[in-house]
Amino acid sequence: SQELEQSPQSLIVQEGKNLTINCTSSKTLYGLYWYKQKYGEGLIFLMMLQKGGEEKSHEKITAKLDEKKQQSSLHITASQPSHAGIYLCGASLPNTGNQFYFGTGTSLTVIP
Amino acid sequence: EPEVTQTPSHQVTQMGQEVILRCVPISNHLYFYWYRQILGQKVEFLVSFYNNEISEKSEIFDDQFSVERPDGSNFTLKIRSTKLEDSAMYFCASRWTSDLHEQYFGPGTRLTVT
Repeated sequence: SQELEQSPQSLIVQEGKNLTINCTSSKTLYGLYWYKQKYGEGLIFLMMLQKGGEEKSHEKITAKLDEKKQQSSLHITASQPSHAGIYLCGASLPNTGNQFYFGTGTSLTVIP
Repeated sequence: EPEVTQTPSHQVTQMGQEVILRCVPISNHLYFYWYRQILGQKVEFLVSFYNNEISEKSEIFDDQFSVERPDGSNFTLKIRSTKLEDSAMYFCASRWTSDLHEQYFGPGTRLTVT
């Protein structure tokens, strides 16, 4: 089965600081998705990466997928308290139809 | 903006009882999913549903679980005889196609089995 490991497990940063969250797959990914979950709530889609080497940005969040399509990073620039939550990477594998796997999650706290 | 809705937001039930969790996916979506998240653990895939049948299921989705799309708008997850370990947050999701389109998640139903 697919394993997606995220690091770090938790992160506490001062407002204004930059941070990076990593997601590593044991297998080549078909597509890599980043979601954010506020505590006790549903998941909000952030970004999807498909091609090796691809990079996407939305506001202060940038996500990259490496060339081998086995590792992705999510970078937040000048973090704000509104960035706090749990960040999850998710992926499907080629030929697995509709199975979708999530990473272990990274809990982000931003201190004002 | 269209969204996935789930009811109830919180369900408390006694062990051994049947529960039905309800979801209304986004109206033009074709693929539907259930996931669960036990407190403090990762979000786990349960089942995917397309064209009125299950397309994939995980090993968690045993005979105690069933899914249905009874009327073309609702998508339900039934747990026949709940166990304590079924206590979790259950998320419904939908997407338009099976290609690389993001899934839209509902806010979840928190199931507590006592």
